[in-house]
Amino acid sequence: NAGVTQTPKFQVLKTGQSMTLQCAQDMNHEYMSWYRQDPGMGLRLIHYSVGAGITDQGEVPNGYNVSRSTTEDFPLRLLSAAPSQTSVYFCASSSTGTVNYGYTFGSGTRLTVV
Amino acid sequence: GENVEQHPSTLSVQEGDSAVIKCTYSDSASNYFPWYKQELGKRPQLIIDIRSNVGEKKDQRIAVTLNKTAKHFSLHITETQPEDSAVYFCAAGYSTLTFGKGTMLLVSP
Repeated sequence: NAGVTQTPKFQVLKTGQSMTLQCAQDMNHEYMSWYRQDPGMGLRLIHYSVGAGITDQGEVPNGYNVSRSTTEDFPLRLLSAAPSQTSVYFCASSSTGTVNYGYTFGSGTRLTVV
Repeated sequence: GENVEQHPSTLSVQEGDSAVIKCTYSDSASNYFPWYKQELGKRPQLIIDIRSNVGEKKDQRIAVTLNKTAKHFSLHITETQPEDSAVYFCAAGYSTLTFGKGTMLLVSP
């Protein structure tokens, strides 16, 4: 039981490049989400999903796409990377279709856009 | 949407003292209020949570109180130890979670 697995752990991109951050969970959690963490800003919600085939926008969705084709996987796509997307990205999942049972976070992806 | 304010941003205490971190929220529909601890370079870890039908919850040295009328909730850590040093985040929500900006707690021996 690995919990929530994020890859890669570190990534450097050039401005304008695209990439996908991977997130997988093996706990059969329905709820999955992506947050970004910037110094002094806490964790801000990018996108979330309450089940396979269902996604919705969070507080800061611009420049990011998501899809949820399976219960296990919730990839985050950066369409055209910008320096403002330099951040630490966390994927989190929860055991029901709502958040009310606590998040399990992945270990994070540290992304630098130059 | 929900807005969560967290205070103080930094808190320094001596080992053995108590520490209190306070949060306010704006959306009266929020019904779940977790607290997370994040050590340097690590992922946030859930340490305690409270739901809107409960006013107080305690787990050993940590406790959380909730005042739904005033829309605020607090984390209390008693008998602090150096290993309690970390950043603590509060959060509030019902379908999604909105986080506060965090409190850096430093416990000096």
